[in-house]
Amino acid sequence: GAVVSQHPSRVICKSGTSVKIECRSLDFQATTMFWYRQFPKQSLMLMATSNEGSKATYEQGVEKDKFLINHASLTLSTLTVTSAHPEDSSFYICSAELGTARTDTQYFGPGTRLTVL
Amino acid sequence: QKEVEQNSGPLSVPEGAIASLNCTYSDRGSQSFFWYRQYSGKSPELIMSIYSNGDKEDGRFTAQLNKASQYVSLLIRDSQPSDSATYLCAVASSANTNAGKSTFGDGTTLTVKP
Repeated sequence: GAVVSQHPSRVICKSGTSVKIECRSLDFQATTMFWYRQFPKQSLMLMATSNEGSKATYEQGVEKDKFLINHASLTLSTLTVTSAHPEDSSFYICSAELGTARTDTQYFGPGTRLTVL
Repeated sequence: QKEVEQNSGPLSVPEGAIASLNCTYSDRGSQSFFWYRQYSGKSPELIMSIYSNGDKEDGRFTAQLNKASQYVSLLIRDSQPSDSATYLCAVASSANTNAGKSTFGDGTTLTVKP
């Protein structure tokens, strides 16, 4: 159980285009999902917390107009990188929260590797 | 001071040895503690979770939690080359604005040499 999928796994796009990444919890409902970014050989960086039916909460320094997050259902959250540029090239990983507030376990998707040319 | 601190490593152990990974945290209200394993180029994978003081064992892995000293550790017995990865410590507090939001350490890179 506790499987999280992401699509696409890899995307290459031209500078200036927008890219949408989907994160799905396959066998559980997730009220809360998280979006991370990770550059090579660096640690996970939390970008935003996505709550079903409400606006996402962005971490300091993350542009909400550039990284659009929609959590339309209990099993799906999307991250759209708008007007992508080469510096946005990174490994984007989502996670979904399973359990009660006592357990708070996050399960990660397999990640999406974005390359902006 | 970082909220969750780990030795960056790299930590190198011979095959068959015990690997010991340590993590300290600053928030005394923390209630949930996790260890994730991340292979190069892959996303993190949950290995262990622990919520109470003491030891929790799962196969070759043992998590140890000491809330008074604010540290959590992960022991890997009979280390295998396939255990070579970066290990992330994560800590969550229900007192956080986003209950369940974990704070991650920067990770410790472990290399197990055959």
